[in-house]
Amino acid sequence: GENVEQHPSTLSVQEGDSAVIKCTYSDSASNYFPWYKQELGKGPQLIIDIRSNVGEKKDQRIAVTLNKTAKHFSLHITETQPEDSAVYFCAATGAGSYQLTFGKGTKLSVIP
Amino acid sequence: ETGVTQTPRHLVMGMTNKKSLKCEQHLGHNAMYWYKQSAKKPLELMFVYNFKEQTENNSVPSRFSPECPNSSHLFLHLHTLQPEDSALYLCASSQDYGRQETQYFGPGTRLLVL
Repeated sequence: GENVEQHPSTLSVQEGDSAVIKCTYSDSASNYFPWYKQELGKGPQLIIDIRSNVGEKKDQRIAVTLNKTAKHFSLHITETQPEDSAVYFCAATGAGSYQLTFGKGTKLSVIP
Repeated sequence: ETGVTQTPRHLVMGMTNKKSLKCEQHLGHNAMYWYKQSAKKPLELMFVYNFKEQTENNSVPSRFSPECPNSSHLFLHLHTLQPEDSALYLCASSQDYGRQETQYFGPGTRLLVL
């Protein structure tokens, strides 16, 4: 089955700096890669996703890049703000399955 | 709000108790999911229902029993749980059950088994 590795597990940045979270996946046939943000006391919320027919997608301060050859994808947050502090999860769907396989999460802390 | 609600938000139960978790979605979706979220572990998919029919059961112990009476409601019945079952239980829904379907999560039920 699919295996998703996520790094780093914790990340601290100064407000205004950029943050990058990286994930690798094992199944070369995977074609859907969502990113979720989970704030304290809440469930995960989709913030951006990318499909395997594109290499990059942006939404204001958030961007995701996908390298299918290397089987990795990354979340980029620019001009970080304190409200970006949360746990971020990457996920992927493997071949032959509709199930999402999640990474272990990255706890992002933005220091004012 | 995501349109997915869960009750109760917190639950403490003994190993001999029977309790139920409830999930309701107001999004008109056809698929609903139960996930288990434990500290320092990836989200674990437990069950999937699509059009009220169970389509996935990821080797979940029988002490967890799901029920989906209609496409808007999902229950997780709990009995004779173990302390290691303590976790955040998340419900999610999606329009359909497919490979590129966005899943919308509820806030979860924090369960503590004593």
